[in-house]
Amino acid sequence: DSGVTQTPKHLITATGQRVTLRCSPRSGDLSVYWYQQSLDQGLQFLIHYYNGEERAKGNILERFSAQQFPDLHSELNLSSLELGDSALYFCASSVAPGGTEAFFGQGTRLTVV
Amino acid sequence: EDQVTQSPEALRLQEGESSSLNCSYTVSGLRGLFWYRQDPGKGPEFLFTLYSAGEEKEKERLKATLTKKESFLHITAPKPEDSATYLCAGGSGAGSYQLTFGKGTKLSVIP
Repeated sequence: DSGVTQTPKHLITATGQRVTLRCSPRSGDLSVYWYQQSLDQGLQFLIHYYNGEERAKGNILERFSAQQFPDLHSELNLSSLELGDSALYFCASSVAPGGTEAFFGQGTRLTVV
Repeated sequence: EDQVTQSPEALRLQEGESSSLNCSYTVSGLRGLFWYRQDPGKGPEFLFTLYSAGEEKEKERLKATLTKKESFLHITAPKPEDSATYLCAGGSGAGSYQLTFGKGTKLSVIP
């Protein structure tokens, strides 16, 4: 158990809908990263928050957004969902913004039908 | 563009048969090379971070090494419980730490 908690574990929704994925980092970790894992692309970095502030954006679509709250939990919002958004979404946390290992949660499996 | 390439894509070993997994990287401003293990349907589990060429780290039957262009994960006398996908990632970014992952090597260890 990495100490990073993601909910829900599974989510099935229809095209065009909006969903919110939640992540609670390890106790004491200020950084939260979001990654998307699909069969053909592998793990892709989406976005990084540190202590409530956005630090970096990767291959994140405009339909996707995220935020980190004062209690350090983070949410990833996915809207206008398409079939191609079906993937595993992972959250990772680390103590510092850089230079240390990131610990991953168990992921949320999103299926868009 | 940052790139991490892992080979082979899949590897089948007999229990006790040692081998190595390869990770070639081109990551601008590399600040660390990471190895993770991922079991089916689970999140990646951190194994090692390597920071400079020549560095080596060991954990049980695993040893990771780093050169300026490649990293190797050596598996000595593997057991069936070592079966998993092994992911390599390059860490980069100023004020952040984005990981660029390879697609992984799926290792199967046959009893």
